[in-house]
Amino acid sequence: DPKIIQKPKYLVAVTGSEKILICEQYLGHNAMYWYRQSAKKPLEFMFSYSYQKLMDNQTASSRFQPQSSKKNHLDLQITALKPDDSATYFCASRRTGDYEQYFGPGTRLTVL
Amino acid sequence: QQQVRQSPQSLTVWEGETAILNCSYENSAFDYFPWYQQFPGEGPALLISILSVSNKKEDGRFTIFFNKREKKLSLHIADSQPGDSATYFCAARVTGNTRKLIFGLGTTLQVQP
Repeated sequence: DPKIIQKPKYLVAVTGSEKILICEQYLGHNAMYWYRQSAKKPLEFMFSYSYQKLMDNQTASSRFQPQSSKKNHLDLQITALKPDDSATYFCASRRTGDYEQYFGPGTRLTVL
Repeated sequence: QQQVRQSPQSLTVWEGETAILNCSYENSAFDYFPWYQQFPGEGPALLISILSVSNKKEDGRFTIFFNKREKKLSLHIADSQPGDSATYFCAARVTGNTRKLIFGLGTTLQVQP
């Protein structure tokens, strides 16, 4: 069974709309992350949460808002979508005290 | 600028050969270096990792060689198999509470049967 679930797998949105990307992990980890992978760019860190609290935000735009309703959930709300937001978004998690980060399968977002 | 650099961008080897993937970095404060393997349409999967206090880490056919003085590391894949064909990412950890990872652009490996 997959330990990190991301929904949906694919998402198409129109410019200006709002979408929520879902991430749930069943690894018992307390730290969760969002990364973005765009064409010709390295995998890029966006946010980190620990025990449901924001630890670091490397995203310049306030249009990206993580939401942690449960300790094993970290969703990503994106508002006022732009074509440049088109990318694959990966959720990751880590057990506090460990080094290893584990990634989910990703949500591929296309903004038209 | 890229804090983690990988070379070559793409690599083709024959089945059974050893593939060597290179990585270099700028920041002396990096202390943990994982390698991830990614197949098309999937998320990066942790393959093997090394701490900066070590100079070598082995796990089966995969070996990391680490040179702290030169700020370089390499991933050696021995006895390459067609199933190893994937993109490999070198990453580095930024010390601190967030444990965020900084990734290179990746090396795409093709293993020819």
